[in-house]
Amino acid sequence: KNQVEQSPQSLIILEGKNCTLQCNYTVSPFSNLRWYKQDTGRGPVSLTIMTFSENTKSNGRYTATLDADTKQSSLHITASQLSDSASYICVVSPAGGGGGNKLTFGTGTQLKVEL
Amino acid sequence: DSGVTQTPKHLITATGQRVTLRCSPRSGDLSVYWYQQSLDQGLQFLIQYYNGEERAKGNILERFSAQQFPDLHSELNLSSLELGDSALYFCASSVAFRQGEQFFGPGTRLTVL
Repeated sequence: KNQVEQSPQSLIILEGKNCTLQCNYTVSPFSNLRWYKQDTGRGPVSLTIMTFSENTKSNGRYTATLDADTKQSSLHITASQLSDSASYICVVSPAGGGGGNKLTFGTGTQLKVEL
Repeated sequence: DSGVTQTPKHLITATGQRVTLRCSPRSGDLSVYWYQQSLDQGLQFLIQYYNGEERAKGNILERFSAQQFPDLHSELNLSSLELGDSALYFCASSVAFRQGEQFFGPGTRLTVL
């Protein structure tokens, strides 16, 4: 069964500090991996999308890395801000296409940035 | 703003009732997905429509049904509501059928009393 596991489950950091969130997956072969940011009570917003051939992708202070050999991805947040407080969700799509039922969602890392 | 709209924003109803949630996808997107997110839970895929046809199904209860209309907006119907159906319901849209980048709406918060 395809799985996506995220760690840590929750994280508290001080404003201005950096942090790294982890995503391990078993989906194989896979097509792409996405990171979403979800503010409390709001819809998820896409941060990055990486295909299996990409190692890194940046979006402002967010940088995602991918190691397809070890089936691991990380999301690095630089110089955190209070507005970074949210849940970060990793989503993996398998190769071969298919519909929404083929996506595997992680349960997310809840990040809180404090003063 | 993702371009996906959902109405209503909030819905409070009683057990046993029926409600309809509405979603309008981004302009040009043909696929609509519905997700359920219970308190402190991950997103659970319910169902996907593409250009008016059901194309993928997740763990959607028999009490729930959906459809996509010719103008591509979609409705999710929830009937015989139970307390456990209280959740955030998100709609997302994408251009293609195949797992394209999804754009999520702001969600409908359903509370069943």
